[in-house]
Amino acid sequence: KQEVTQIPAALSVPEGENLVLNCSFTDSAIYNLQWFRQDPGKGLTSLLLIQSSQREQTSGRLNASLDKSSGRSTLYIAASQPGDSATYLCAVNGGGYQKVTFGIGTKLQVIP
Amino acid sequence: EAQVTQNPRYLITVTGKKLTVTCSQNMNHEYMSWYRQDPGLGLRQIYYSMNVEVTDKGDVPEGYKVSRKEKRNFPLILESPSPNQTSLYFCASSLLGSRGGDTQYFGPGTRLTVL
Repeated sequence: KQEVTQIPAALSVPEGENLVLNCSFTDSAIYNLQWFRQDPGKGLTSLLLIQSSQREQTSGRLNASLDKSSGRSTLYIAASQPGDSATYLCAVNGGGYQKVTFGIGTKLQVIP
Repeated sequence: EAQVTQNPRYLITVTGKKLTVTCSQNMNHEYMSWYRQDPGLGLRQIYYSMNVEVTDKGDVPEGYKVSRKEKRNFPLILESPSPNQTSLYFCASSLLGSRGGDTQYFGPGTRLTVL
């Protein structure tokens, strides 16, 4: 059974810092990995989707990498802003049949 | 506007009273899915559907039913709700499903409390 772990569980940084969020998964036979953002009381917003054949994806200040063989992904946020404060979730699609497994998330607070 | 809608957004009910949470998407997506989110457990998949009349169990299907009679709608049915089904529920859809490599779009969530 796929297990997804996100470290750290919570992170507080001053505005302007670069930061890295980590996601690890136990079964490397995945189709893709997706990073989401969740704001309090709201749904999930997709940030980046990395296919199993890709090594990284970039969108603006965000960069996600994938090392399938070691079961790891990182989300890099450059020049963090208070508006980046949210919970970041990693989701792995693997094990066939469209099943998706989520990590518990990293709660990020960016202090002005 | 492309979106996934859920209704109701908030619901308080009592044990054993049947309820339905509706989910609708206007993006002509084939794949739809239901998740529940609980503190410390994250999001867990309840059921998913790869197309009309095709549904399958996720990781936590017990106590839930779904149907997919139309492409745009995927209601979640709790025949006899119990307090352990108190949770935040999300519906999601994607064009071809995660194996197709595309993004999942999530609804705003339904907060359910079963007394």
